[in-house]
Amino acid sequence: DGGITQSPKYLFRKEGQNVTLSCEQNLNHDAMYWYRQDPGQGLRLIYYSQIVNDFQKGDIAEGYSVSREKKESFPLTVTSAQKNPTAFYLCASSSARGPGILPYEQYFGPGTRLTVT
Amino acid sequence: SQQGEEDPQALSIQEGENATMNCSYKTSINNLQWYRQNSGRGLVHLILIRSNEREKHSGRLRVTLDTSKKSSSLLITASRAADTASYFCATDASSNAGGTSYGKLTFGQGTILTVHP
Repeated sequence: DGGITQSPKYLFRKEGQNVTLSCEQNLNHDAMYWYRQDPGQGLRLIYYSQIVNDFQKGDIAEGYSVSREKKESFPLTVTSAQKNPTAFYLCASSSARGPGILPYEQYFGPGTRLTVT
Repeated sequence: SQQGEEDPQALSIQEGENATMNCSYKTSINNLQWYRQNSGRGLVHLILIRSNEREKHSGRLRVTLDTSKKSSSLLITASRAADTASYFCATDASSNAGGTSYGKLTFGQGTILTVHP
């Protein structure tokens, strides 16, 4: 059964603690993405990775870190430096496209709701 | 600010009616995509329209794109209670002219659609 899994679904942490959110895909996609969604808002890009061992900052990377050691996995660490970490975090993946090839959509995981108190 | 701005922010209709959502954006795009999100879940891709297309259909969905006005609309015909969800437009401004690219998306804030039975 192909898809993207995120764990856990709900996560609670105390302020000042780092926390790592898991994202795994078995779609053989090259690109993976992390988004943050606040209530009533759209998605904002945190980090994205186009290939193993490479990743780029998105629009709101401060206070977050990622790694891409395997094609299937793209974990996100929310550090204590992130001032307002409580949010819904979504992971996505997509295929690459070469010249002249139709663009591909992104496939999303079910999300992790992080609450920091 | 976000690339995509959606209108209306919320839409409430009766089952059987049509629902129209609009999206405006600011820069040139490669393609525009529409996604659906049920409450507390991940996003699901609905339809993609490329910059050289003006209209696209998929089942009860009809999407239009006007690149001169930098706007798109999503029409859901004969709505059902199960269509109740948030709908997001996402723009892909990346270029693959120079080789492989990965479709980095910028999302709007979404339209909350409620369909009453």
